[in-house]
Amino acid sequence: NAGVTQTPKFQVLKTGQSMTLQCAQDMNHEYMSWYRQDPGMGLRLIHYSVGAGITDQGEVPNGYNVSRSTTEDFPLRLLSAAPSQTSVYFCASRSQGGHQPQHFGDGTRLSIL
Amino acid sequence: AQTVTQSQPEMSVQEAETVTLSCTYDTSENNYYLFWYKQPPSRQMILVIRQEAYKQQNATENRFSVNFQKAAKSFSLKISDSQLGDTAMYFCAFMLGNAGKSTFGDGTTLTVKP
Repeated sequence: NAGVTQTPKFQVLKTGQSMTLQCAQDMNHEYMSWYRQDPGMGLRLIHYSVGAGITDQGEVPNGYNVSRSTTEDFPLRLLSAAPSQTSVYFCASRSQGGHQPQHFGDGTRLSIL
Repeated sequence: AQTVTQSQPEMSVQEAETVTLSCTYDTSENNYYLFWYKQPPSRQMILVIRQEAYKQQNATENRFSVNFQKAAKSFSLKISDSQLGDTAMYFCAFMLGNAGKSTFGDGTTLTVKP
């Protein structure tokens, strides 16, 4: 049981490039989310999903796309990378039930030059 | 929209002492859940403790306990017998009912000094 797996752990991009951050969970969790964490700050929600085929925008969705074709996977796509998207990205999943906590991946540190 | 405020960006405590981290939130809803997460330098996010809003009794997990004041919309974390391994950033988080998303505060960096 690996939990939530994020790849890659580190990535450097040039402005304008696109890429996909991968997130997979093996706990059969219905809910998955993507957050970004800027230095010294909390987590801000980018996009989230309450089940396969269902996604919704969070607090800071601009410049990012997501899809949820399976329960296990929730990839985050940067369409055209900008320096403002330099951050640490966390994927999280949780099962239904309000008391259930989020399970987080180890994060992806992304730098945009 | 819900907001979560952690008013103490940084705190420090001597080893074996007790420290309290503050968190306030704003919501007009009645069915929600509150969490404290710990983020050590390894960057992992680890659940510390959780509280259901409908429960009056404060949650406790070993050395960690909360003071949940629903009317005041306050959810503070008390760490007793602080240990060096408690050094981390602590985040307060709010979640509505069975929503798929959480709102996080900006965190409090706690340093435990030997």
